[in-house]
Amino acid sequence: AQKITQTQPGMFVQEKEAVTLDCTYDTSDPSYGLFWYKQPSSGEMIFLIYQGSYDQQNATEGRYSLNFQKARKSANLVISASQLGDSAMYFCAMREGAGGGADGLTFGKGTHLIIQP
Amino acid sequence: NAGVTQTPKFRVLKTGQSMTLLCAQDMNHEYMYWYRQDPGMGLRLIHYSVGEGTTAKGEVPDGYNVSRLKKQNFLLGLESAAPSQTSVYFCATRELLTYEQYFGPGTRLTVT
Repeated sequence: AQKITQTQPGMFVQEKEAVTLDCTYDTSDPSYGLFWYKQPSSGEMIFLIYQGSYDQQNATEGRYSLNFQKARKSANLVISASQLGDSAMYFCAMREGAGGGADGLTFGKGTHLIIQP
Repeated sequence: NAGVTQTPKFRVLKTGQSMTLLCAQDMNHEYMYWYRQDPGMGLRLIHYSVGEGTTAKGEVPDGYNVSRLKKQNFLLGLESAAPSQTSVYFCATRELLTYEQYFGPGTRLTVT
């Protein structure tokens, strides 16, 4: 079974609308964390937001928020008031283990988001 | 500060040739990682290191070797390149107490 599933290969959204990118995960470890990264067409990986499994509140960073539903094993990224510059690939990733994920992240296959004017 | 740098940025190899990719960081981070990204896929972990002199296998280690002789450098070697190793390679670092991984700009490798 895939550890990280992103079910939306591509999305088209009108500028200024809110966007929700879906991510579900699979782990039996009680200590884990979820990340979202943005990859624009230039190719670099840009960290957006992080949610730990024990965090009581949903993470927020500016226009980005993470809708963390632990019982459903989902960690959706919400982008408020989308902008043309938000057009990019978005990856959900997970670390596992109480050691803090020394053994790397597991990534989903990504969602290609296109913001239309 | 340069952060995480990767050398080279692009490379074309013939099948059977060897090469080494260099990742360098100036953030004094303990953990370093090598990932590969193939079209339509997320990143997959090749090898990682939790400190100078240590390395460990990730999800897709076959055909690659690594070394971490100095804390700031993590080398990824291909001894006999194959077309299946055509990919974009990313290096990343992480400090001990936080979980965020800092990525280099990537190396685009083509094996013909």
